[in-house]
Amino acid sequence: AQKITQTQPGMFVQEKEAVTLDCTYDTSDPSYGLFWYKQPSSGEMIFLIYQGSYDQQNATEGRYSLNFQKARKSANLVISASQLGDSAMYFCAMREGRSNDYKLSFGAGTTVTVRA
Amino acid sequence: DAGVIQSPRHEVTEMGQEVTLRCKPISGHDYLFWYRQTMMRGLELLIYFNNNVPIDDSGMPEDRFSAKMPNASFSTLKIQPSEPRDSAVYFCASSDREGQPQHFGDGTRLSIL
Repeated sequence: AQKITQTQPGMFVQEKEAVTLDCTYDTSDPSYGLFWYKQPSSGEMIFLIYQGSYDQQNATEGRYSLNFQKARKSANLVISASQLGDSAMYFCAMREGRSNDYKLSFGAGTTVTVRA
Repeated sequence: DAGVIQSPRHEVTEMGQEVTLRCKPISGHDYLFWYRQTMMRGLELLIYFNNNVPIDDSGMPEDRFSAKMPNASFSTLKIQPSEPRDSAVYFCASSDREGQPQHFGDGTRLSIL
């Protein structure tokens, strides 16, 4: 079974608007971490934001925020005030908290295209 | 601070040749990961190390693939003999022992002809 599901293969957003990227996850482990990465066309993987399963508040990093709904097992990424440089592939990933297991499971990714 | 450094950035070689990919993790990071990215399979973990010791190599495709970490600042991923289906982008990533985010190198784009 897929551990991370990203249902939106591609999205278009107007510059300066907000965009929400969906991510749902599947785990029976009570301790886990959720990550979002950005991969621009140049190919590098850039860490954006992290949410721990026990964190009480939703994570925020600048224009990025994570809408964490634990009961629904969703961890959607919100990018506010989109910029042309936000055009990229975005990956959601999960690390399950089993002892000493730091493996990441990645979703298939969502391509975001920001229009001027 | 220097990030994860991978070399080469691009590699084109003929089928049957040996390929060696190199990675220097961020200083002080105890964990090192090798991933492969393809259009068909997305990002797959191949192997990861903790304190230079391989912990999980269940993602290594077959015996043609091998990885080593002789010291805390260097790791290699070797493919011998290479095949066209090995063509992919190979990423190295590292993280510290507190399970902080993995930081990725820029990747090696490998093409096997």
